[in-house]
Amino acid sequence: DAGVIQSPRHEVTEMGQEVTLRCKPISGHDYLFWYRQTMMRGLELLIYFNNNVPIDDSGMPEDRFSAKMPNASFSTLKIQPSEPRDSAVYFCASSLAGQLWDFGPGTRLLVL
Amino acid sequence: GQQLNQSPQSMFIQEGEDVSMNCTSSSIFNTWLWYKQDPGEGPVLLIALYKAGELTSNGRLTAQFGITRKDSFLNISASIPSDVGIYFCAGVQGGSEKLVFGKGTKLTVNP
Repeated sequence: DAGVIQSPRHEVTEMGQEVTLRCKPISGHDYLFWYRQTMMRGLELLIYFNNNVPIDDSGMPEDRFSAKMPNASFSTLKIQPSEPRDSAVYFCASSLAGQLWDFGPGTRLLVL
Repeated sequence: GQQLNQSPQSMFIQEGEDVSMNCTSSSIFNTWLWYKQDPGEGPVLLIALYKAGELTSNGRLTAQFGITRKDSFLNISASIPSDVGIYFCAGVQGGSEKLVFGKGTKLTVNP
């Protein structure tokens, strides 16, 4: 298995632009998680899905953030409009039955 | 929300030395995981612990799930330069699938 796949690996954008991050979980995994990592706050859970259904989005910082999972093999995290304080590394992770979370390589986002 | 207190924040050791780091919480966790993150990469799972008191090894790594279910430690024996990285503890509380992370321990190994 290729593991969790994320794209793009790096994104540089200007404030106010829309940013879309993509994730392909491990085939057969039924949970998908989006995390954000910063120096100040560490790894924070933003939202997670079970069988493509959002279960808990209490970590999503603002209405500017939205996430979707249209099918079992694809999820997006969108920021619109982006702000400099959104600069961070965004990780997608997937797991089977809520155990042994596998993380993707991350998307490094820089908002200027 | 749930908080995991991980210590130490950083460690500087000589190659060949043993390393110990730990994680504590005021809440009970049903699962403890230890991850390592290399620069520019995502966290990689090292060890998973599911039962109070469980002691598990993975090569030179050993981790234990505390009896009270509120703590865990990770030991690395005979460190080598490739052990450099950030080590995270993570936990899951009962009735939840949310994986909560500690702030990490940054390990530097001097050859």
